[in-house]
Amino acid sequence: SQQGEEDPQALSIQEGENATMNCSYKTSINNLQWYRQNSGRGLVHLILIRSNEREKHSGRLRVTLDTSKKSSSLLITASRAADTASYFCATDWAQGGYNKLIFGAGTRLAVHP
Amino acid sequence: SQTIHQWPATLVQPVGSPLSLECTVEGTSNPNLYWYRQAAGRGLQLLFYSVGIGQISSEVPQNLSASRPQDRQFILSSKKLLLSDSGFYLCAWGQGAQPQHFGDGTRLSIL
Repeated sequence: SQQGEEDPQALSIQEGENATMNCSYKTSINNLQWYRQNSGRGLVHLILIRSNEREKHSGRLRVTLDTSKKSSSLLITASRAADTASYFCATDWAQGGYNKLIFGAGTRLAVHP
Repeated sequence: SQTIHQWPATLVQPVGSPLSLECTVEGTSNPNLYWYRQAAGRGLQLLFYSVGIGQISSEVPQNLSASRPQDRQFILSSKKLLLSDSGFYLCAWGQGAQPQHFGDGTRLSIL
């Protein structure tokens, strides 16, 4: 079964509002990553949080990780219409010199002007 | 800087026809290479990964195969396409445990 599960599946907000997406996973991880995908395009890496970190910031993005609950959240503050995309969490089972990412089904975010 | 190229962007193929999708990476050496498939509205499923020339690991049994004839070239193939092979195929590269970098994908439709 899938390692990561995002919640909600879809989120619709107004520009300027904050968007929070959650991700749960099932087994131990090396790190957790969040990616963004614009419609019909490839994925773009947003942020990586290691298993020994609890919170990380990058611009308007804030990611938290709770390994005891096997969950993570992505917060986008002051959202913009350009933030409209699908967001995926991916858990990393790095082994033998490569990283094996297990992706969730994603959250589709729509930000309305 | 590193770039990844994937082509074609879209492809419509009849059932039973062969397939060849190509992915090349520039600006890095000995990358780990990955092929993923994404069903509509879903996450990515890892199909193959490669840690070096000629080294291919398959994640799921399927009608597809992969090859890595050169360090920065990764090819996804099939001898006979099935309807179930339709989807969005993404190539990615990475180094060690660093984040992966994705191409723009190929949308494959099987008729």
